[in-house]
This record gives sequence, C-alpha cells and structure tokens, in this order.
Amino acid sequence: SAVISQKPSRDICQRGTSLTIQCQVDSQVTMMFWYRQQPGQSLTLIATANQGSEATYESGFVIDKFPISRPNLTFSTLTVSNMSPEDSSIYLCSVFAMNTEAFFGQGTRLTVV
Amino acid sequence: GENVEQHPSTLSVQEGDSAVIKCTYSDSASNYFPWYKQELGKRPQLIIDIRSNVGEKKDQRIAVTLNKTAKHFSLHITETQPEDSAVYFCAARGAGGFKTIFGAGTRLFVKA
Repeated sequence: SAVISQKPSRDICQRGTSLTIQCQVDSQVTMMFWYRQQPGQSLTLIATANQGSEATYESGFVIDKFPISRPNLTFSTLTVSNMSPEDSSIYLCSVFAMNTEAFFGQGTRLTVV
Repeated sequence: GENVEQHPSTLSVQEGDSAVIKCTYSDSASNYFPWYKQELGKRPQLIIDIRSNVGEKKDQRIAVTLNKTAKHFSLHITETQPEDSAVYFCAARGAGGFKTIFGAGTRLFVKA
C-alpha cells in the first residue's frame, strides 16, 4: 500500500491569500487526484494531477482558482488561490497505481477567516 | 460523466442487526466499485471493493453485491457492532479515465 504524506494538516488563512498543499507518496503512482470534502459532505473531485502536463479539472473547478502541479510520479501540490470563507473545507489527495485501490492522504483542514 | 447515487443518507440499527446501503451508477463503462469507511476526523479507508467481472464478494462480516445490468451495487454488514458506526461511501471508477466518483455517503449509527 502507498504511504501518503500530506501537509499542512490544517491551517487558518486570511481571505484573499493563497495556500499550497503538498502531497508526497513513498512510491511511484500512476494517478494522483485532489478532492474537496466540505463539512458533513461527500468527496468532490477537483482535478486529476497529470505528470508533466496541465491538470484535468472537473466541472466547476478552474485552474486559476486551484492551480495544480505534478513534477514527478511521487509528488503533487494544490494551491487554493484568493481564498474566501466558502473555500473552508478539507482537501485530500488520492493516489493509485494500476489495479490497486485508491489511497488517501490524511487531509488538510482549511479555515478561511 | 459518472454520477453515483447512494441511499439511505442515514441508517440506524441495533447492535447485532444487519445494515444495507445501496448505490446506483450512471456510466455503464465503470468497472471498479470500492466502498470506503470514514470515521470522524479521519481519512476514508477502503473496506471492500468489487470489480465488474464479479457479482459478489465477501470479507468476514462485510459483503458487496453488484448487478451490472441494473447498475446497482450494495454493501451488506452483518452482526453490526458499535465500532461500525461511521460514514460509508460507495464509489465508481470508470474504465478509461481512472477517476473515482463518490456517492453522497451514509451515516451509520449502531446502537448498543
């Protein structure tokens, strides 16, 4: 199983600022994804982080707001830009290799004040 | 795109009873159906999964069934225990895109 280190685990940020969340995996993985989980809600896919190319965003999410990097097969970042209180949520990275389950990082609990 | 619907949103059972959670999916090309358990403040953890070439899978007190024709799959927990109390998510993964789409979740309460 993959071991995922996600940081920060939590942060409180001022509106209008940006926060970058990091996701580090202990082995090379095929796919990396970023999810958002609002309090008491399900997991909503933000985007697929593609190695060496632009991320693929889901409907309702745009690159200007959630820029994503994936420079190699073990690392990705998600930035939440120009934050507002509506961005307060838990952000999770998820990875899987071929024919395996999806593993989740421990999540980043973001509060925007 | 894929859409996954999950019912019920809340389920309360007595300890020792069975619990059943049902999901439907929209994309007939989906071929992998995991179930995750999420305890308060923790990350989702896989508890069981099933692939489209299998109709049923069991692991101790947990079983999952899949009806590809109807695009339904269900989670069955027998002899429930208080520690089974959590939020359960079904999910579906498409054949081509590899992205996993989640149901809305079921909050299970097991009363001692």
